[in-house]
Amino acid sequence: DTAVSQTPKYLVTQMGNDKSIKCEQNLGHDTMYWYKQDSKKFLKIMFSYNNKELIINETVPNRFSPKSPDKAHLNLHINSLELGDSAVYFCASSQVYEGAGGYTFGSGTRLTVV
Amino acid sequence: AQKVTQAQTEISVVEKEDVTLDCVYETRDTTYYLFWYKQPPSGELVFLIRRNSFDEQNEISGRYSWNFQKSTSSFNFTITASQVVDSAVYFCALLFTGGGNKLTFGTGTQLKVEL
Repeated sequence: DTAVSQTPKYLVTQMGNDKSIKCEQNLGHDTMYWYKQDSKKFLKIMFSYNNKELIINETVPNRFSPKSPDKAHLNLHINSLELGDSAVYFCASSQVYEGAGGYTFGSGTRLTVV
Repeated sequence: AQKVTQAQTEISVVEKEDVTLDCVYETRDTTYYLFWYKQPPSGELVFLIRRNSFDEQNEISGRYSWNFQKSTSSFNFTITASQVVDSAVYFCALLFTGGGNKLTFGTGTQLKVEL
């Protein structure tokens, strides 16, 4: 059983389109995150949700909108895609009140905007 | 502010050599966690270790060992008798619990192990 699963694994789309990436965790963690890895491999947090509440929103364009229907799911919707949005997006989860225990990443979604 | 520095961009070694990956961090917090992740060519992020700021004991796991020194704000990672399968990008990361549990990553070290 995959602990943190994201779909799709690859996403190729044209500029201007709207797309979503889905993430689900079955670890019972209370916090979920989205990280972005750029072409130089630099990893940076975008958002975090704790029990469906937005905790971190790191200077991300408002074209990016996370949605957490429940604490096991955190989806990322991107409007009006731009070339610069091409990157690998990682979902992660952890248990905040166990000293960030179990910080686990999904396998990533490679987004290519053409 | 939190910062993690991995000064080594790329390291190349021959199989069976020992190699140490450096990590230096900056934080004003007294309670924090340090992590190492491995990212093989397949792209996933593989958790290797988590260490809290109150535990300076070194750790060994098979061929992997970690040296945590608060006095120098370093958390170095050594691979003994490296193997080709160790070829990957290795990331050091810092987390403090007051910051929403976000991980601040270093820029990564690309390790290439050749035959």
